[in-house]
Parts: sequence; C-alpha cells; structure tokens
Amino acid sequence: EAQVTQNPRYLITVTGKKLTVTCSQNMNHEYMSWYRQDPGLGLRQIYYSMNVEVTDKGDVPEGYKVSRKEKRNFPLILESPSPNQTSLYFCASSWDRFYEQYFGPGTRLTVT
Amino acid sequence: DAKTTQPNSMESNEEEPVHLPCNHSTISGTDYIHWYRQLPSQGPEYVIHGLTSNVNNRMASLAIAEDRKSSTLILHRATLRDAAVYYCILRDVSPLYNTDKLIFGTGTRLQVFP
Repeated sequence: EAQVTQNPRYLITVTGKKLTVTCSQNMNHEYMSWYRQDPGLGLRQIYYSMNVEVTDKGDVPEGYKVSRKEKRNFPLILESPSPNQTSLYFCASSWDRFYEQYFGPGTRLTVT
Repeated sequence: DAKTTQPNSMESNEEEPVHLPCNHSTISGTDYIHWYRQLPSQGPEYVIHGLTSNVNNRMASLAIAEDRKSSTLILHRATLRDAAVYYCILRDVSPLYNTDKLIFGTGTRLQVFP
C-alpha cells in the first residue's frame, strides 16, 4: 500500500532533550516536506526537500533540522526542543511540485 | 503568495449536494487551484485541482469562474464521512518557484447531519 509513515505518533518530552521524528514514503517520490499544524494558524511548512541531499527552509525552520540521505526518508530533528514546538507535525511527499501531496498520519509532540 | 478566502464553516444534510466556495481575487496566471481536506485526527488528503476548466473526479467536482477569481468545490451527495475541514490552496507552477510549498489557510469546516 502506498503510504507515508511517521514515527512516533505521539511523543511527550522535556525541554532540551534532543529528539527525531522519522518520516518514510514508499512511493519513490522526489519531494518531501514537513509541516506543523497549530490551532488558528493552519499548516505551516518547516522544511522541504526536492531530492536526495537537497533541502531548503520553509516558513518556520527555526529550531528544526532535516536531512535527506535517501529518497524514501526525511527525518525531522529537534536538537533542543522548547515548549513552543508543542504541535502536530505532518510529513508529506509528492512526485514533484506539479502533483498532489500525500500526507502522513501526523505526530503529536508535547514539550514540557 | 496569493491568498484564498473561505467561510469558516458550512453545514449540510446527508445525501444533499454541498457547494464550498473559495475566493482568490489575486490569483496569477500560473496558479493552479487545489483542494485538500482533513478528516478528524488525520493528515490532509488531496481532493481535486484545476487551472481554468471545470474538473471532475470520483470524489468531487471543481467549478472555476471564468475570471478565475473564485472557485467552488462540489460534493454531489454528502455523506457523514465527508465531514472535514476543506482547504482551498493556490499552487504556483511557474519556473520561477522551484518549491513544493502548500499554503494552507484555516479552511471551511463542513458538518454533515444524518
């Protein structure tokens, strides 16, 4: 089944403790993106990747890192999480920017 | 980035048609109109997209005004499963923008009653 998977789905952590949220797609898509969703603000793009080893900042990249060493994986790294990064995170992928994006199920992160 | 305006919420009865409007008065010639929806506790999913002509697929129809300043997503027979937040998004495909960014607003929350 074609899908985007994220792990973990739920995470509660403390300020400053490094964490990684994994994202994987099995559709051989070139493009992958990370979004965060907060009440009243809609979805905002954090980082995106147009291909392996190519990443770029979205609208809200501060406090996040990403890497794209393989086509299928696009992990999101929070080196020193803070409470303002408490949010619902979505990973998405697409063939390229002309095609629809497929979204993962989301990761709900709480930073205390 | 061109902006879209949608009503905050709409209601429908099951098996009735639903017309979800979207205004995008600053749309440019290279903007495609995309619709996504987000079911409760799920990630957004693609519904339909178009440029100038009306479009139909198995999920919905998209009616685009002649001047392209507005569009309407049509669900022909609403079901309870169609209760979701619907997002109207403009996606620039010009060579000037080599990015895959989608700008989601707050969308329209559709309630469907039995």
